[in-house]
Amino acid sequence: GAGVSQTPSNKVTEKGKYVELRCDPISGHTALYWYRQSLGQGPEFLIYFQGTGAADDSGLPNDRFFAVRPEGSVSTLKIQRTERGDSAVYLCASSLAFTPKGAVSADTQYFGPGTRLTVL
Amino acid sequence: AQKITQTQPGMFVQEKEAVTLDCTYDTSDQSYGLFWYKQPSSGEMIFLIYQGSYDEQNATEGRYSLNFQKARKSANLVISASQLGDSAMYFCAMSPSTGFQKLVFGTGTRLLVSP
Repeated sequence: GAGVSQTPSNKVTEKGKYVELRCDPISGHTALYWYRQSLGQGPEFLIYFQGTGAADDSGLPNDRFFAVRPEGSVSTLKIQRTERGDSAVYLCASSLAFTPKGAVSADTQYFGPGTRLTVL
Repeated sequence: AQKITQTQPGMFVQEKEAVTLDCTYDTSDQSYGLFWYKQPSSGEMIFLIYQGSYDEQNATEGRYSLNFQKARKSANLVISASQLGDSAMYFCAMSPSTGFQKLVFGTGTRLLVSP
């Protein structure tokens, strides 16, 4: 079946501009995550949605970053007043709803191809 | 806080040989999950294998196996019979417990498989 998709694949913007990054999770996955991967680093957690609500947004670096998932499927990561330090690959992942112990494969997060954001 | 350490920035292996990628972790949680992901140059993170902290047997998935040593807090990935297509970045990650939780990643190991 279709995997996680992200659009755009690349985004170049100027410092101070507003950007939106979109994520389409795997159909039926209720959990959705955003991560940010800087060059030479592993992904860093930003925010996690269970359904429509943000269950954990502790990874958002500051109030310029915001994410929504209004219908419990597609999510949009929004960055206001972009800065050069925001340049990174933004990865989205989704996973099935929690499954009791014994079916731990449901914990697996499946990642999209990412959006490469460049702030000039 | 949880932490993943991958001490090998790069590894080289010849085709058809086995290779071990190291991963150590630090956590105070009793229940957690350990993951390995592959990231080819295309950028997508590909799930390889999962080990739960209470699983008594090491996880295996085809050519991938996870050498889980709980007392040493290590979760090394073993790739048997390496193939040219295995050349990629490999990330070890952990989650605090089974269920949907944020993953904490290491810095990765770049594997290069030569003919």
